[in-house]
Formats: sequence, C-alpha cells, structure tokens
Amino acid sequence: DTGVSQNPRHKITKRGQNVTFRCDPISEHNRLYWYRQTLGQGPEFLTYFQNEAQLEKSRLLSDRFSAERPKGSFSTLEIQRTEQGDSAMYLCASRRLANTGELFFGEGSRLTVL
Amino acid sequence: AQTVTQSQPEMSVQEAETVTLSCTYDTSESDYYLFWYKQPPSRQMILVIRQEAYKQQNATENRFSVNFQKAAKSFSLKISDSQLGDAAMYFCAYRSGTSGSRLTFGEGTQLTVNP
Repeated sequence: DTGVSQNPRHKITKRGQNVTFRCDPISEHNRLYWYRQTLGQGPEFLTYFQNEAQLEKSRLLSDRFSAERPKGSFSTLEIQRTEQGDSAMYLCASRRLANTGELFFGEGSRLTVL
Repeated sequence: AQTVTQSQPEMSVQEAETVTLSCTYDTSESDYYLFWYKQPPSRQMILVIRQEAYKQQNATENRFSVNFQKAAKSFSLKISDSQLGDAAMYFCAYRSGTSGSRLTFGEGTQLTVNP
C-alpha cells in the first residue's frame, strides 16, 4: 500500500494551454474522487468514479474539464484552455466501496496559470 | 444541499492544553457521516476521526474526541494534551449515507500550537 499518488506535483502554465494531471489510487480502491482546493478554503468536489464509471460531476466541472478512469485504475483530469481562475490545488482521493470506507488523499497537484 | 460551517478561521493552544474546534452543518437527512480531517502544511489530508449519525456515542481516537449533537447539528472536535505536531488546518466534512458519495467540507480552522 503506497498511498494515493499524484503527478505532477506542481504545474506552471500559460493561460490558454491544456494541462493534464494523473492520479494513481490505492490499488484495491473502487472509488476515486477529484477535488479542487484554493488557498485558505476547504476542498470542493469535482467528480468521482466507481471503477471506470464516472458517477457524479459537480457543476464546478465546466466543459473545459474532463476526467477519465479508463481501466478502473489510474485517473486523469484534463483542463483545456486554462484560465487564471483555474489556479488551485487539485486533490485526488480514493476509498473502498463500503460506505464506511475511509477516504485517502494524495498530496495534490498544484496548478499555477500565468 | 448540505452545508458545513466552521466559524473559527484560526485557533491557538498551548502545548499540553486542550482545544475545541467548532463545526455546524445543515442537512435534512437522517443518515450521514461526519468527519474531521487534518491537513498539515504541504502535506496530504488525513482522517482524524469519524462519526456515524446513527450512533449516539461520541467517537474517540486517542487524544481526539468529538461532541456530536445531532439535534443541534453540531460536531465539535476536542484535542487533548495538544502537541506541536497537531498544528495544521482542520476541516470538518459531511457525507450523505444515502444519496451520492461526495464529501462536503467546511472552510477550515487553522490550529497553531504554542510551545
């Protein structure tokens, strides 16, 4: 059990560029979540997967955002045509299917849009 | 929609003393879970303690305990014998037991532990 891994840890990009973040969950965890956290705020839910199925998406997830979990293992979060308002920490978390399953977080991917 | 409110942006405590962090939430559901998460600087968020709404007994984990008042929709965290390593941002979070799977977080409380 190596924990939830996120890459890259920090990405600096220019406005209008596309960026992609990767999350590798704990191996036996069926559910995978993406959250966004801005400085001094609590994380905000973006989307979650159960295995490869994307079951819920927040209204925060505009059409510039897309997430995938193609084989039910790792997940990617892509942001197209980045804007300065997209600058934030993007957190990935995973847990088992059981309702009492603890949510384990990764260290996050920090995005800075210039 | 459920909301979680933490009214204390910052708290401080002397090492070895006790501190209580406040959290209130709003929901119309009867089946739900409440959590306290700790986020140290530049480190990942970790679970401190969890409470199932159907359980009347307050959860405890070593030096951490909660005061769960279901009718008042209040869920405070008490840290006893505070240690320097307890310094972090603490988030209260809610998860429905029936609909959806997302966690809804409060704004956080920054805890400082003074030596």
